Amino acid sequence: EVQLVESGGDLVQPGGSLRLSCVVSGFTFRNHWMHWVRRAPGKGLVWVARINEEGRETNYADFAKGRFTISRDNAKNTVYLQMSSLGVEDTAVYYCARDGVAFGFDYWGPGTLVSVSS
Amino acid sequence: QSGLTQVASVSASPGQSITISCTGTISDVGGYNFVTWYQQHPGTAPKLLIYNVNERPSGVSTRFSGSKSGNTASLTISGLQADDEADYYCSSYTSSYTWVFGGGTKLTVL
Repeated sequence: EVQLVESGGDLVQPGGSLRLSCVVSGFTFRNHWMHWVRRAPGKGLVWVARINEEGRETNYADFAKGRFTISRDNAKNTVYLQMSSLGVEDTAVYYCARDGVAFGFDYWGPGTLVSVSS
Repeated sequence: QSGLTQVASVSASPGQSITISCTGTISDVGGYNFVTWYQQHPGTAPKLLIYNVNERPSGVSTRFSGSKSGNTASLTISGLQADDEADYYCSSYTSSYTWVFGGGTKLTVL
């Protein structure tokens, strides 16, 4: 059974940093691109970042460039999202997702909540 | 990176059909067939309904279908059921090597 489980979400002050993790199981992790997607309260889904199979290629949404870093450890079946200079607008549930079919995200984790507030 | 345009809400009765449109540009929806649709029930993770404009993953009901014309993609749900009440999102790969979502459409089954 394919599973993705995020962790690391927390309450953090504006300007702070946080690292999210997503541990996967049930498939060959090193064969898949991975993504992070977020959903702010009352808002829609927003794509955040993507990483290729080997971790050498990454892409980011404009709001994430320079502040967020996506990475992965294929030995640990884990993808990470390092976030810094967090603002209240970054408050959201963050999901990791597998890129499984023609750039479609076929498996998602349940999400982890990041709250940015003073 | 502007989001794709979706109507905010739609409602219909059980058994009816509805179509949700998703408008982008030549740089995303119009330029690629990497259009996907997701369903999200409250408090749960999104579920992939359609990929490659009109292909269904294994296990997704044939009541869900997708299409595209120019810069606009569409999701049609036929034979509406109570459990179809959810938020629906379109998404597309873009020419900037990024992905973009629509703002989401809230479907209410009356």
